[in-house]
Amino acid sequence: SQQGEEDPQALSIQEGENATMNCSYKTSINNLQWYRQNSGRGLVHLILIRSNEREKHSGRLRVTLDTSKKSSSLLITASRAADTASYFCATDKTGANNLFFGTGTRLTVIP
Amino acid sequence: EAGVAQSPRYKIIEKRQSVAFWCNPISGHATLYWYQQILGQGPKLLIQFQNNGVVDDSQLPKDRFSAERLKGVDSTLKIQPAKLEDSAVYLCASSRGEEQFFGPGTRLTVL
Repeated sequence: SQQGEEDPQALSIQEGENATMNCSYKTSINNLQWYRQNSGRGLVHLILIRSNEREKHSGRLRVTLDTSKKSSSLLITASRAADTASYFCATDKTGANNLFFGTGTRLTVIP
Repeated sequence: EAGVAQSPRYKIIEKRQSVAFWCNPISGHATLYWYQQILGQGPKLLIQFQNNGVVDDSQLPKDRFSAERLKGVDSTLKIQPAKLEDSAVYLCASSRGEEQFFGPGTRLTVL
């Protein structure tokens, strides 16, 4: 069974708006990673947050982690049409980098 | 830097036939992964190699799936015999650290 569950399953926004995606997981983790997948570039690593971190930023991306609630969120600010893709959270339970991916959120950014 | 290479990109076979996929990781990446991604789901880790040794194959259906990484570089994943439920995209990834780099995948259709 997969470790993570993303919410919502699908999200449609206008270009320039912010997009927030949530991920919940079931067991303790070493780190949590977010990946993007689209037909053009395949699956690409976006950002990693460790279990002892609460927030991390990378460009227009902001990730939060709440280990007490076993949840994470990914915020994309000032969205662009090129951000249209599926976004997956993936958890590393042991630090061995064997990832468990969630079900994904399909983001559509309308120009 | 060249990315992860996979071949073939597409394969159509009938059930009970055999199929093999090939992966060439990024040069210098010691860790190699095979994932199965069924339509509408996130990738599921099948097997993880560190050099030519297996780190994790707990989710590999060993009665029909096999994988090897001779000389710690290229890897092949084989399915024998294939079932209808094996229809999926098979992704290969490699890493030197925590970030995994994914190949374009092989889309397998089992009829």
